[in-house]
This record gives sequence, C-alpha cells and structure tokens, in this order.
Amino acid sequence: QVQLVQSGAEVKKPGASVKVSCKASGYIFTTYAMHWVRQAPGQRLEWMGWINAGNGNTKYSQKFQGRVTITRDTSASTTYMELSSLRSEDTAVYYCARDFVVVPTASFYFDYWGQGTLVSVSS
Amino acid sequence: DIVMTQSPDSLAVSLGERATINCKSSQSVLYSSNNKNYLAWYQQKPGQPPKLLIYWASSRASGVPDRFSGSGSGTDFTLTISSLQAEDVAVYYCQQYYSTPCSFGQGTKLEIK
Repeated sequence: QVQLVQSGAEVKKPGASVKVSCKASGYIFTTYAMHWVRQAPGQRLEWMGWINAGNGNTKYSQKFQGRVTITRDTSASTTYMELSSLRSEDTAVYYCARDFVVVPTASFYFDYWGQGTLVSVSS
Repeated sequence: DIVMTQSPDSLAVSLGERATINCKSSQSVLYSSNNKNYLAWYQQKPGQPPKLLIYWASSRASGVPDRFSGSGSGTDFTLTISSLQAEDVAVYYCQQYYSTPCSFGQGTKLEIK
C-alpha cells in the first residue's frame, strides 16, 4: 500500500532553515509528482510547490520563490522540502502529498498524504 | 490567484440528515476545451492529513462512500453528504487546480447536532 512517511517535528529560530523529508513506499517513486502543502494554525491549506520525481523538475508558488527548495533522492524514494529564512509566520504543519496522475502530467490534486511535520519557529 | 470561499464556516447536522457545504471560486474553474471543472474536495479529521473525496467536481475517489457527492460548475460548487454518519465529523476543504498556485477554501467544520 502507498505510504508517505515524513520526518519528525522541528523547532527553529527565526532566520534559520529547515529541511523536511518524505519517504515514499508502495509504488514506483519516479512515476508520480510530489507536492508540498502547509497548514498554519487556524489557516487554510497552502500549496508550496512540486517536483516531478521522474526528472527532478520543480515549480514553486510565487509566494515561496527564493525561499523554498524541493529535491528528491530516487535511490531512497525520498522527497525533501527545504525552507530558508524562517519567520514566525512559517510555523505550520508541512505535508507532502502525491499527485493523482503519473508523470509527466500533473493533476494538482492529491491522493496520498504524509502524516505531516510540525515546524515551529520561535526565538 | 484564484480565491476559494466556502460557506458556512461551520455546520451542525443531525445524524442521518443531509449536510450541504458550498464553495465559490473567484473565477471560473471550468476548462472549456474539455468541459471539466478543476475542483476537488477533501475531508480532514483532527490530527490527520486531508483525504481526497471528490475530483473533477463530481468524481468520487476510490473507497469514498456514495453518500458523498459533488456538484456544480463554473464558480459555484456543492459537497453533499446525503445521510450524515458519526464518522463524517471533520473539516471539509474545496480546492481548485485550474491554475497555479492551486488554492484551497478556508474549510467548513461539520459537527453533529
């Protein structure tokens, strides 16, 4: 069965960076795109960007452009999301979410989600 | 960017009764070339990630009970639960994937009356 297992909670100071991992199993990793979505306390879900796990191409939301980097390690079936220059407003649960269709197409709706990683930013 | 607005923000419905949640997009998410509405619905229970319920505005995802249905077109959409069960208590989100960045509604909290 498809599983996405994320790394554990992080506490960071303002200005630092955080890197969250998402290990996939139960399917061929390179055949689907992976997205990252965050949810700040009491806020709506917010899409950050995606990676084509097959060729490594990425696209980011303009809101996070320059601060977010999504990468993948095909040998480990793992996707990573790194967010830099953290501020208190980045405190949120970060999710990886698999795209519904196989690459090279991306549907931008999501059939499997990781359990979420809480990133807390506080001085 | 497309803004998604749901109504109501919260809803209390008796067990076995119908629950209706609305979602409005700031611009049409109907793609004329394929006549498809780029609209999905998710269910999120406390402490869990969202779960895909509906895509293409009315197609149920695998394993989703048939009491869940989606309807609407263009800018106005509805998620209906025909007969509310206790396990349906959750927050429901609509999402447009017509344009990037894809975007979500603010959520509707569904409770038992």
